[in-house]
Amino acid sequence: QVQLQESGPGLVKPSETLSLTCSVSGGSIGSRSYFWGWIRQPPGRGLEWIGSIYYSGSTYYNPSLKSRVTISVDTPKNQFSLQLSSVTASDTAVYYCARLTGLDSYSWGQGTLVTVSP
Amino acid sequence: QSVLTQPPSASGTPGQRVTISCSGSSSDIGSNYVHWYQQLPGTAPKLLIYSNHQRPSGVPDRFSGSKSGASASLAISGLQSEDEADYYCAAWHDSLNGPLFGGGTKLTVL
Repeated sequence: QVQLQESGPGLVKPSETLSLTCSVSGGSIGSRSYFWGWIRQPPGRGLEWIGSIYYSGSTYYNPSLKSRVTISVDTPKNQFSLQLSSVTASDTAVYYCARLTGLDSYSWGQGTLVTVSP
Repeated sequence: QSVLTQPPSASGTPGQRVTISCSGSSSDIGSNYVHWYQQLPGTAPKLLIYSNHQRPSGVPDRFSGSKSGASASLAISGLQSEDEADYYCAAWHDSLNGPLFGGGTKLTVL
């Protein structure tokens, strides 16, 4: 059973870059069967897909966030990361990392709250 | 289209049957599986239905899912107070290479 765990700062200042890492266990990030991605949920609001990365390194981003998002993969460490630049208060959210596929259900981490505040 | 369309709210009395709809397009629901998540306050979303109508182990058979064309539905029969939660649908989007989510439906048990 794959398990995912997010890690990173819980507080980021406005205009700075939010950086999170997802550690994967019980499954290889090099698998060709899955994408690896980030999803967020602002307080009191719905779920929003941020972006995905494939084992090859190909990335796919939500058009609404594309100019600020970078997702990268570290295959030897079985980890992938999210960077979101120029953050504002509206980027305050619970951030989830996930194993994604169009052919089956998604596997999620437990989520980590990131607050954007001075 | 950045989200799938769900009603913002739904309600029912204990024992009643309620349905929550989710509509999309040929690029998401129309060509991929639909999944449903239940979210209780302060917790991560919990998988309720996957691949249109499959239930993970431990999910009561009171919960059922269906799909037709570019729309899907979640049905909850024998409504219970503990079913009061937010419900989200999700489906893969072919050109985005990522999932789309519904805006969420807040279910109230009267």
